[in-house]
Amino acid sequence: QKEVEQNSGPLSVPEGAIASLNCTYSDRVSQSFFWYRQYSGKSPELIMSIYSNGDKEDGRFTAQLNKASQYVSLLIRDSQPSDSATYLCAVNGRIKAAGNKLTFGGGTRVLVKP
Amino acid sequence: SQTIHQWPATLVQPVGSPLSLECTVEGTSNPNLYWYRQAAGRGLQLLFYSVGIGQISSEVPQNLSASRPQDRQFILSSKKLLLSDSGFYLCAWRIQAINEKLFFGSGTQLSVL
Repeated sequence: QKEVEQNSGPLSVPEGAIASLNCTYSDRVSQSFFWYRQYSGKSPELIMSIYSNGDKEDGRFTAQLNKASQYVSLLIRDSQPSDSATYLCAVNGRIKAAGNKLTFGGGTRVLVKP
Repeated sequence: SQTIHQWPATLVQPVGSPLSLECTVEGTSNPNLYWYRQAAGRGLQLLFYSVGIGQISSEVPQNLSASRPQDRQFILSSKKLLLSDSGFYLCAWRIQAINEKLFFGSGTQLSVL
């Protein structure tokens, strides 16, 4: 079982609709969760972080965390063609783990069609 | 504010040639530093991380090595490149505290021919 799993997609979304991305993780004691956006040929860009159960909103983005279900999601409202990218879920594992490393999922490719 | 510099942006190297990629961070002290590789269409693979000068941990056995000669400098090297070393190499940094965010450099696209 992979430590962080995402559906690879592509997730095709009409312009103006909501894109819903999901991520599950295996380490129950994970503490912090991040979403990165990566355009083709570019480096990942941090767009959201979430640490507590519930929702966190930032502009058109909403991150949702459910630690009991080991599930984190990202909603993109009013999707725009510029949102077409690969979205990476990252999880910080055990407290004080060596190197304080993040574990990344394989990414979900999102295509927003005009 | 903190910034991370990574160079070169692209590199084409013949098989068997050496490699040196450099990364520097500005605006912070004693960061955790990381080297990732992303093969075409694949996820991020952590290669090395460092929690301090001269301290290097390797995540996977490979043809590469890393060094941290200064607090905010991280170098990725190889003595002889293989075809399988091709990929997108990313340097990243993070404050040494729980739950801090990870920030990436702009990356180096390496093609080994």
